[in-house]
Amino acid sequence: GESVGLHLPTLSVQEGDNSIINCAYSNSASDYFIWYKQESGKGPQFIIDIRSNMDKRQGQRVTVLLNKTVKHLSLQIAATQPGDSAVYFCAENMNYGGSQGNLIFGKGTKLSVKP
Amino acid sequence: DAMVIQNPRYQVTQFGKPVTLSCSQTLNHNVMYWYQQKSSQAPKLLFHYYDKDFNNEADTPDNFQSRRPNTSFCFLDIRSPGLGDAAMYLCATSRDLVAETQYFGPGTRLLVL
Repeated sequence: GESVGLHLPTLSVQEGDNSIINCAYSNSASDYFIWYKQESGKGPQFIIDIRSNMDKRQGQRVTVLLNKTVKHLSLQIAATQPGDSAVYFCAENMNYGGSQGNLIFGKGTKLSVKP
Repeated sequence: DAMVIQNPRYQVTQFGKPVTLSCSQTLNHNVMYWYQQKSSQAPKLLFHYYDKDFNNEADTPDNFQSRRPNTSFCFLDIRSPGLGDAAMYLCATSRDLVAETQYFGPGTRLLVL
């Protein structure tokens, strides 16, 4: 089946370093992607999104890169802080067939920031 | 200025005793979703409403039902909770179905005794 997955289940970084979280997706027809941050006991929080007509999008301290050729998505966090510690999910928005509107989540990467 | 509100945040129920979880939104979004999330797993979509149009995922058990009496509120009814239904239940909303960000509530943690 088609799915969105993550290369690394856990990532540990030093405070102040940059973090890169990767995600592979398998459906070339998907045209919208979202990164969510989920802290323990809370709901997923929107971080940044990107549409398939873009390769890169920047937010505050975060950048999302989309490589459609290899179906790869990454989230870069600059100057990682302890407050960035959380599980990060990539999600693919299905826009075809009978599943319009469904978000397909990757497995999640747990980011731990060491002080 | 909470946008997606879920009550209660924690719910304890007994095996087989019906339980209702609630969600409300101040965004006036057309679409409301219910997800189930178990520990260390990604959220799994149960169903969604586009306005009053209900869309059930094929693998959502019949034990799970939903109601949307108006734009702002959506309820998740679990008719006979089993131990395997203990999870975090997340409500989300989006303006439309296609290529739209979904905004999540804080979730309700359900414990089944």
